[in-house]
Amino acid sequence: AQSVTQPDIHITVSEGASLELRCNYSYGATPYLFWYVQSPGQGLQLLLKYFSGDTLVQGIKGFEAEFKRSQSSFNLRKPSVHWSDAAEYFCAVGDSGGYQKVTFGTGTKLQVIP
Amino acid sequence: SAVISQKPSRDICQRGTSLTIQCQVDSQVTMMFWYRQQPGQSLTLIATANQGSEATYESGFVIDKFPISRPNLTFSTLTVSNMSPEDSSIYLCSVDGSSPETQYFGPGTRLLVL
Repeated sequence: AQSVTQPDIHITVSEGASLELRCNYSYGATPYLFWYVQSPGQGLQLLLKYFSGDTLVQGIKGFEAEFKRSQSSFNLRKPSVHWSDAAEYFCAVGDSGGYQKVTFGTGTKLQVIP
Repeated sequence: SAVISQKPSRDICQRGTSLTIQCQVDSQVTMMFWYRQQPGQSLTLIATANQGSEATYESGFVIDKFPISRPNLTFSTLTVSNMSPEDSSIYLCSVDGSSPETQYFGPGTRLLVL
């Protein structure tokens, strides 16, 4: 069964600093991978996704993520964090077998300090 | 991406009662999904709803507790039946997007059961 691990429950960074959120997945074949963001009191917004091809994917709001098959990882990065990036971030893995089942990680809550 | 709305956005209910949550999409979609996000937790898939067929429930969720309707390609409802305080959660609907395995989420319904 597919699974996702986000080892960091909570991360605090200073505004303007770089950010990396970790995500490791378990899946038998090439996975579909996603990062979603949930701002306080809001639903989930898709930041970016990986299906195939270039392993470095660009998303909205200046985020990017890199798929590393050898490490089973899909870490999310941003070179300079803004106060508005404070939110909870969820990594997810989708079933490339066509069932459309998506499994979410437990989330990483990002705090941005001035 | 699809625009998804949910009603109600939040509610406070008494134990033993039932609440029906509506999910409306601005375009026709094949698959709709219902998730539960308990306080401080990640998303857990409750069921997948295809138009014209019975919903498919995930392990731990049953139709008697969470009956789902899917009368057409733009609408679905989830009922939380015989509620208890443990049902206090955010309930989110999502739909499949134009890309494979990509889901777009509604804003969620925040339910508190007293």
